[in-house]
Amino acid sequence: EVQLVESGGGLVKPGGSLRLSCAASGFTFSSYSMNWVRQAPGKGLEWVSSISSSSSYIYYADSVKGRFTISRDNAKNSLYLQMNSLRAEDTAVYYCARGVVVTDYWGQGTLVTVSS
Amino acid sequence: QSALTQPASVSGSPGQSITISCTGTSSDVGSYNLVSWYQQHPGKAPKLMIYEGSKRPSGVSNRFSGSKSGNTASLTISGLQAEDEADYYCCSYAGSSTFWVFGGGTKLTVL
Repeated sequence: EVQLVESGGGLVKPGGSLRLSCAASGFTFSSYSMNWVRQAPGKGLEWVSSISSSSSYIYYADSVKGRFTISRDNAKNSLYLQMNSLRAEDTAVYYCARGVVVTDYWGQGTLVTVSS
Repeated sequence: QSALTQPASVSGSPGQSITISCTGTSSDVGSYNLVSWYQQHPGKAPKLMIYEGSKRPSGVSNRFSGSKSGNTASLTISGLQAEDEADYYCCSYAGSSTFWVFGGGTKLTVL
């Protein structure tokens, strides 16, 4: 069974940092591109970042470029999102999701709250 | 403001059909046959319902169908059921610089 489990969310002050993790199981992690998508409270979905299977290709939304870094460790079946210089508008549930053309599995999300 | 435009809400009675539109531009929906549709129930993760414009993942009811014309994609749900009540989001590939763009979401109410 495919599972994606996010962790690392929490309360952080503006300007602070947080590292999200996504533990993958039930499939060959190293064969899939992975993504982070976020959803602010009561709002719609927003794509954040994507990384190819071998980390050769990385993409960021303009809203996070220069502040967030996506990475993966295929040996550990894990996806990461390092978030620096956090702002109030980064407050959201962050989902990791498998695949780019067919984004068929999503985790349950981890909540990041940026507030003083 | 979202990159793709969806109606904020649609409604229908059980057994009826509804269509949700998703309007983009020639840089996203119009250029690629890579529109996906997601269903999201409150407090839950999004669920893929349609990919590549009109393909259904295994396990998704054939009551759900997708199409595209020009810069507008559509999701049609036939034979509405109570469990279809949810938020629906469209998403399109938009090239290597923008990558993905989402619609603002449509709340479907089953009357």
